[in-house]
Amino acid sequence: SQTIHQWPATLVQPVGSPLSLECTVEGTSNPNLYWYRQAAGRGLQLLFYSVGIGQISSEVPQNLSASRPQDRQFILSSKKLLLSDSGFYLCAWSVGGLGEKLFFGSGTQLSVL
Amino acid sequence: KNQVEQSPQSLIILEGKNCTLQCNYTVSPFSNLRWYKQDTGRGPVSLTIMTFSENTKSNGRYTATLDADTKQSSLHITASQLSDSASYICVVSARSNYQLIWGAGTKLIIKP
Repeated sequence: SQTIHQWPATLVQPVGSPLSLECTVEGTSNPNLYWYRQAAGRGLQLLFYSVGIGQISSEVPQNLSASRPQDRQFILSSKKLLLSDSGFYLCAWSVGGLGEKLFFGSGTQLSVL
Repeated sequence: KNQVEQSPQSLIILEGKNCTLQCNYTVSPFSNLRWYKQDTGRGPVSLTIMTFSENTKSNGRYTATLDADTKQSSLHITASQLSDSASYICVVSARSNYQLIWGAGTKLIIKP
């Protein structure tokens, strides 16, 4: 069966520090991978998606970047965190078209102080 | 503008009671509508997915309805349990680019 691992679960970082969140998927090949951010009381916001190794699409301009070095690995990064980067970050995967059912990781609560 | 609005924002009911959550959308062209359950501090989990031609879909005690003419959906929970306490999120997919438009969710609290 397929599983998705996302870590860490919580992270507290100072402003200006770098960020690296990692997500890996097991039990499936060539998944579509996504990074979402969820602010309190708001709907999920799609940050990046990837349909294959090295292929990254960005949905909103921001202080973050994403990379997909392996088929089932998706990384969210920042060189210098801002206060506004605080939020709940979710990794997700799907197979088939981009409109297919999403399966989410357990999320990372990032607090930038 | 593509939007998804959910109501109520929050809801408290007693264990064993039924409840209905609402979702209105303005997404066009419509592809499908999904309901997700999100426990606090966890990722969302899919409950139902409905396409244009589907009026109702059930998943255990959860029943979703869709009226594509009025662009409304509802999620009915029967005989609520404490484990139903969560946020319920309505998501609409646009057929043109498979963009997902997420509602802000309804926070449901079940009290014993």
